[in-house]
Amino acid sequence: DTVLTQSPALAVSPGERVSISCRASEGVNSYMHWYQQKPGQQPKLLIYKASNLASGVPARFSGSGSGTDFTLTIDPVEADDTATYFCQQSWNDPTFGGGTKLELK
Amino acid sequence: EVQLQQSGPEVGRPGSSVKISCKASGYTFTDYVMNWVKQSPGQGLEWIGWIDPEYGSTDYAEKFKKKATLTADTSSNTAYIQLSSLTSEDTATYFCARCEGDTRVSFNWFAYWGQGTLVTVSS
Repeated sequence: DTVLTQSPALAVSPGERVSISCRASEGVNSYMHWYQQKPGQQPKLLIYKASNLASGVPARFSGSGSGTDFTLTIDPVEADDTATYFCQQSWNDPTFGGGTKLELK
Repeated sequence: EVQLQQSGPEVGRPGSSVKISCKASGYTFTDYVMNWVKQSPGQGLEWIGWIDPEYGSTDYAEKFKKKATLTADTSSNTAYIQLSSLTSEDTATYFCARCEGDTRVSFNWFAYWGQGTLVTVSS
């Protein structure tokens, strides 16, 4: 299985820029996708194929990377962005990262 | 509007089975593969497998090949997952998720999700 590694948690102040990283154990081309999950809710697609913004997602969210290293950037961060963010690859059988919990200071 | 409506919470005894449903609306059910994803309490996400409603074909993650059975009823636009031989390890929230992507069954992402169904295994 392709293992995806994310930092467990980050804390930022509203209005700042935050970058959330995801590293794959092997190359996944551009087939990395990002989701936001709030407590008690289902995940929501934010970014697909590394850098494509999903429908209805604010332009404050962006994605970059290819191969093994990927980044989700939120700029500027808003209070409503408090959530856990997951990366997912589909180059091989789908796997997810462990999630990064974003908290606001 | 694409909607995936899952059935309510389930409680199963150890060794028994449960079956969860996911009713799709807002699109042609047979046009897209349906995936299932597990989320254990306070944990991350695990892909279980997919079913192609048009052909009835399935694929499972190795870990779930003996645990999960995926089916679909095209007359009611509903996908199902049955979990068998329940243990405490199966206590989790299960999501159905419709994918989109570069091919019908691979290189895809989960564009739409059901609200999740909590399965609790308890005697």
